[in-house]
Amino acid sequence: QKEVEQNSGPLSVPEGAIASLNCTYSDRGSQSFFWYRQYSGKSPELIMSIYSNGDKEDGRFTAQLNKASQYVSLLIRDSQPSDSATYLCFGGSGGYNKLIFGAGTRLAVHP
Amino acid sequence: GAVVSQHPSWVICKSGTSVKIECRSLDFQATTMFWYRQFPKQSLMLMATSNEGSKATYEQGVEKDKFLINHASLTLSTLTVTSAHPEDSSFYICSARRAASTDTQYFGPGTRLTVL
Repeated sequence: QKEVEQNSGPLSVPEGAIASLNCTYSDRGSQSFFWYRQYSGKSPELIMSIYSNGDKEDGRFTAQLNKASQYVSLLIRDSQPSDSATYLCFGGSGGYNKLIFGAGTRLAVHP
Repeated sequence: GAVVSQHPSWVICKSGTSVKIECRSLDFQATTMFWYRQFPKQSLMLMATSNEGSKATYEQGVEKDKFLINHASLTLSTLTVTSAHPEDSSFYICSARRAASTDTQYFGPGTRLTVL
């Protein structure tokens, strides 16, 4: 059973801090990873994608991928209350149709 | 951008009736569309994958005769929940992918189905 696992949280951080969200995956052949944010009652919105080992930065967000250790993470700098949401890790192996969602980590940023 | 719409955004129906949900890619052609279901406090579960002009591929445990999927064009896929029951009440979300050269899926806003 190929899996994508996340800590369900909640992860609570103060405003302005760095939030670190982690995701591990079991399929060593996984190549594509995405982080989505989902507000309560809404559908997921794409934050960023990462395909290669290392870091990828986009504004306050940095995704990190380590294929040897089979984990992918998302760092949110200068966290804002508006970042409070569930963050979904989405990834999988080639063949495009085999991507799997993690259970999601709930992030709460408090003022 | 890559905009995906769904219609309706919410629907309430009586048990035993059928409900059709539309998913449209508004500014791109979607070779593949996906249908997900999300129950409260749970993650999205893939129900089926549909490619334009082909029969949908259903995930294990999803009844293909109950959840009819049609992907007649590169911009439209429909999900019909037939003979709906209260346990089918859920948040149904579609996503669309451009050409096969990318994995990125763009999600529609979702349809909340309540079956009385």
